[in-house]
Amino acid sequence: QSVVTQPPSASGTPGQRVTISCSGSSSNIGGHTVNWYQQLPGAAPKLLIYNNNRRPSGVPDRFSGSKSGTSASLAISGLQSEDEAVYYCGPWDASLNAWVFGGGTKLTVL
Amino acid sequence: EVQLVESGGDLVQPGGSLRLSCAASGFSFSSFEMHWVRQAPGEGLDWLSYIDLRGSNVNIAVSVRGRFTISRDNAKNSLYLQMNSLRAEDTAIYYCVRESRYCSGGDCPGAFDFWGQGTMVTVSS
Repeated sequence: QSVVTQPPSASGTPGQRVTISCSGSSSNIGGHTVNWYQQLPGAAPKLLIYNNNRRPSGVPDRFSGSKSGTSASLAISGLQSEDEAVYYCGPWDASLNAWVFGGGTKLTVL
Repeated sequence: EVQLVESGGDLVQPGGSLRLSCAASGFSFSSFEMHWVRQAPGEGLDWLSYIDLRGSNVNIAVSVRGRFTISRDNAKNSLYLQMNSLRAEDTAIYYCVRESRYCSGGDCPGAFDFWGQGTMVTVSS
């Protein structure tokens, strides 16, 4: 059981906006930045968002991140079929002295 | 082009040992902190271990502490994971991961910016 919680699934139709939540505590999200990773089927994870809301070069601006208190969110606007993937949030946890990941949210584009 | 190529994954019996390797190229390996992260079949991501630039500071997840050891050889641009006393629950894809620091306002939080393709470890009799 992870110390940060994500919904197991999310869905949307092409063009829609979807959000994925990540809930934690003061020892992780509340006190540290949150990163988001995208894992396409059969592929290794890829960094999608770092420092709560920054996009690495090459990541479309359809992807955005935010954080408030002990929760973080990933928003995907203009949903596309190629966005079907599992999305993980991943903050540092100071109490565990370890990096932690949420359980992952499988996004389905209907 | 940044590349991380893992090797060493295999089928091993419970109680056995394996040494995973990760060959890095396309960047200055000695300038980056490195990690191992694993993913059991159909499961999520599980952070395992960290090593600093020179290999003098390491951090190992509680779940594998005492059984797994991380090391690096900057002269060979390589990262290693020595795994002993393997158990069925260690069955997973093992990823070699680079950490980059993104500094802002005096703080330099990290993120896992490049991942290898992974190597499969199966622990079974």
